[in-house]
Amino acid sequence: QKEVEQDPGPLSVPEGAIVSLNCTYSNSAFQYFMWYRQYSRKGPELLMYTYSSGNKEDGRFTAQVDKSSKYISLFIRDSQPSDSATYLCAMASGYALNFGKGTSLLVTP
Amino acid sequence: GAVVSQHPSWVICKSGTSVKIECRSLDFQATTMFWYRQFPKQSLMLMATSNEGSKATYEQGVEKDKFLINHASLTLSTLTVTSAHPEDSSFYICSARGGDREGYTFGSGTRLTVV
Repeated sequence: QKEVEQDPGPLSVPEGAIVSLNCTYSNSAFQYFMWYRQYSRKGPELLMYTYSSGNKEDGRFTAQVDKSSKYISLFIRDSQPSDSATYLCAMASGYALNFGKGTSLLVTP
Repeated sequence: GAVVSQHPSWVICKSGTSVKIECRSLDFQATTMFWYRQFPKQSLMLMATSNEGSKATYEQGVEKDKFLINHASLTLSTLTVTSAHPEDSSFYICSARGGDREGYTFGSGTRLTVV
C-alpha cells in the first residue's frame, strides 16, 4: 500500500462548479499537509499548507484535514477554466514530501 | 519571498554525455534542497535530499554515482546526470523549504531528453 493515495481522475466539471479533491494516507506520523497545482511541463505551485485538523480557507480554496480518518480534501469554489491543471496532495513528517499521484482537473467553459 | 530558480528548463543531450541542472534559492538560504523526478502522468518521486556542506542522501534505488548532487552553498544545489541514457529522459524538479512562506517551494523543472 502506498503511503499517499489519490485518484488520478481525470475529473471534468463545468465552469462555476464546486470541485472536491481528496487524498488518503496511511502514515500517522505525517504532520504537514499541502496541496500543489501543476500545469503541464511546469513545477508544482503551492496552493495550501496546513498542519492541523480542520479547515483552512484562502480565497476560492479550502483545505480540510481529518487526521483521525487520515483523509485530506481540497475544495475549489466557483471553478474557472484557468483552474484546469493537475492537483497534487503532499504530506510530510520531517523534511521530505510524499506526494499523491495527482488528480487531473478540467474545467469546461 | 521564497523563489527557487531552476536552470535549464529543457535540455536535449546525446546518450553517454553528462548534463548538469542547477537549482538556486534566490531570496532565502536553503540548507536542504530536494531533487525529484517525474515521468509523464506520474507523481513526483524523491530522488535525493541535498544537504549544504555534506553528502546527499539518496532514496532507495537511485544510483548515487549516476546522479551526482553537489550543494556547495546555501543557495545552490546541482544535479549532474552522468553518462545519460534514453531511460533517464524525464522531468527533474528541485525544491527547498525556507524563506517567508510555509511549505516547500519548487523550481520550474527541467525537461531532459536523451537521444
